[in-house]
Amino acid sequence: DAGVIQSPRHEVTEMGQEVTLRCKPISGHNSLFWYRQTMMRGLELLIYFNNNVPIDDSGMPEDRFSAKMPNASFSTLKIQPSEPRDSAVYFCASTLAGGGWWQFFGPGTRLTVL
Amino acid sequence: DQQVKQNSPSLSVQEGRISILNCDYTNSMFDYFLWYKKYPAEGPTFLISISSIKDKNEDGRFTVFLNKSAKHLSLHIVPSQPGDSAVYFCAATYTGANSKLTFGKGITLSVRP
Repeated sequence: DAGVIQSPRHEVTEMGQEVTLRCKPISGHNSLFWYRQTMMRGLELLIYFNNNVPIDDSGMPEDRFSAKMPNASFSTLKIQPSEPRDSAVYFCASTLAGGGWWQFFGPGTRLTVL
Repeated sequence: DQQVKQNSPSLSVQEGRISILNCDYTNSMFDYFLWYKKYPAEGPTFLISISSIKDKNEDGRFTVFLNKSAKHLSLHIVPSQPGDSAVYFCAATYTGANSKLTFGKGITLSVRP
């Protein structure tokens, strides 16, 4: 039984380039969350979706960040243009809304912007 | 403004001893609390939780205590094992939060053999 799948696992890019992170939630889950982990701020919620609809994007740092969920089995987080301060580990998590509070996390994408 | 605070960034304990990880929160609406464990290069995994109607929840070597008046919870690991070495995140939510969790910064636990 596959868990949350994220790709790529590692991404190294140069400042100014566009970066796209991908996530496939657990089948049947209808809530999806994007987090960013840094030493300074810990795990920050960037945005989350319920039934493919963005519910709260107040954690998105700025307009350079955007997220989409075109269907129940796929989501993207895009950074354009990327900056060195965006370097972090980005996690995707999913859960069944109303099915319990715990979320299931993917393995994360380690992003390095040079 | 951090609504969930884990003020100690790290903790080191001897194998076999008790590990106590602390967490404080500021939002009075929070009524459900979770602990997640994270190994390097992996995503966080759910460990244990507690509802605000309880003050203690136990699962094997792991016990979470909740003090609502102090807005404080703690995770006790007894006995600690080297495999418990990981980052532990405290998280909180409330009824009506749409499954949204608020996480602390995490505590790095090192268990010395």
